[in-house]
Amino acid sequence: GAVVSQHPSWVICKSGTSVKIECRSLDFQATTMFWYRQFPKQSLMLMATSNEGSKATYEQGVEKDKFLINHASLTLSTLTVTSAHPEDSSFYICSASSGRRAGELFFGEGSRLTVL
Amino acid sequence: AQSVSQHNHHVILSEAASLELGCNYSYGGTVNLFWYVQYPGQHLQLLLKYFSGDPLVKGIKGFEAEFIKSKFSFNLRKPSVQWSDTAEYFCAVNSTSGTYKYIFGTGTRLKVLA
Repeated sequence: GAVVSQHPSWVICKSGTSVKIECRSLDFQATTMFWYRQFPKQSLMLMATSNEGSKATYEQGVEKDKFLINHASLTLSTLTVTSAHPEDSSFYICSASSGRRAGELFFGEGSRLTVL
Repeated sequence: AQSVSQHNHHVILSEAASLELGCNYSYGGTVNLFWYVQYPGQHLQLLLKYFSGDPLVKGIKGFEAEFIKSKFSFNLRKPSVQWSDTAEYFCAVNSTSGTYKYIFGTGTRLKVLA
C-alpha cells in the first residue's frame, strides 16, 4: 500500500514557540493532503485540506494564522503550529490519497505535540 | 449536519467471542463508508470500505460490514475475535462527489482478553 510518513513523531516545546510537522507521501504523489487533530478519547477532527500549489482550505473554527499549512510539492505538506500554547497539545495526523485506490486515504503515524 | 456515531466506546471481549460494532451516519447525499483500525502505537489502517454494489463487504483479517441504507448504518462484524484484534476502530464516511474529506466517528476501543 501507499506510505505516508510524518516527522517528528513526538515533539515537546515551550509555550510561545513554533513547531513544524512534516507529512510526506513516500511512494506516490499527493495533490491533496489532509490534516487531522485527535484529542484524547475523541475522534479525528479535520483541520484543513492541503492543496499542492495553492492555499489550504480550513475547516470552520480552525485558525489559519495559528496552524499554517504549506504544500510546496506533490510529496510534502507541512503544518506549523505558531506561538504554541498548552491547549495546542494534541495528536496531529496527516493523510493523503494515492489516487490508485479510489476514495481510500492513507494515514501518517501521527505527531504528538506537547506544549509546556 | 454531517455526523458519524459509534455507540460503543469501549468493548471488552474474550477470545473467540463474536464482535459487532455499531456505526450510524447522517450525511446528505450518497456516501462511501469505511472502517479504519488503529493498533496500539500504529497509524490508521483501512479495514474495509463500501462504495457501491453488494452491501455486505468483506475486509482484511476476517472482518466484514453491512451497509443498511434504510438505517443509515454500517456495522462492523467479526465472528470470532483474537487477542491481536485489540485496537481502536473508527467508522468514517465521505461524499461520493469526489472529495476525500472524511467524517470520522468517535472510535470504539476494543480489548480482547486472551
